[in-house]
Amino acid sequence: DADVTQTPRNRITKTGKRIMLECSQTKGHDRMYWYRQDPGLGLRLIYYSFDVKDINKGEISDGYSVSRQAQAKFSLSLESAIPNQTALYFCATSDVGQGGETQYFGPGTRLLVL
Amino acid sequence: DQQVKQNSPSLSVQEGRISILNCDYTNSMFDYFLWYKKYPAEGPTFLISISSIKDKNEDGRFTVFLNKSAKHLSLHIVPSQPGDSAVYFCAADYNQGGKLIFGQGTELSVKP
Repeated sequence: DADVTQTPRNRITKTGKRIMLECSQTKGHDRMYWYRQDPGLGLRLIYYSFDVKDINKGEISDGYSVSRQAQAKFSLSLESAIPNQTALYFCATSDVGQGGETQYFGPGTRLLVL
Repeated sequence: DQQVKQNSPSLSVQEGRISILNCDYTNSMFDYFLWYKKYPAEGPTFLISISSIKDKNEDGRFTVFLNKSAKHLSLHIVPSQPGDSAVYFCAADYNQGGKLIFGQGTELSVKP
């Protein structure tokens, strides 16, 4: 079984709709992250959470919100989807080891906003 | 302001030869660097990392070199194999903050 799972894997929605992307992990990590990937831009951080009571904005949080329901669950919501939110979305968890932090990614959700 | 840059969008290498992927950064506060590999329809997979107190880290066929004065790191894959064909991202962090800054990625193609 995968350590980091994301649902749905693919989603098509219309402008103005509210959608939620879900992430679950079995790695027991406290830290969780949401990124989006656009062609030519790499991955950019949307929101991150270092524990259940800690939520922080990342580089591109406008138009998004998150909920950390439990240590293992971190959801990303688009309150009113717009076409430029069409992207690949990744959830990640992290483990702080010797020297630095390594993040482990889920398989991604491909979102298309029409 | 792109703090981490991978200036080569693509690289093609013959099987058995060395692949060298490059990454430049601008923020001297970065103290930890990582390389991830990504196949289509999958999430990025951690490959190798290096702390700023080192200038080299090796793991099997993969070696990462860090040149702090030039703010440059590179990933060497020797020998390259067709299964190495993927998009490679470099990323940087500081003070274990967890807010990784990613480069744009380089697509490596290893031809048999």
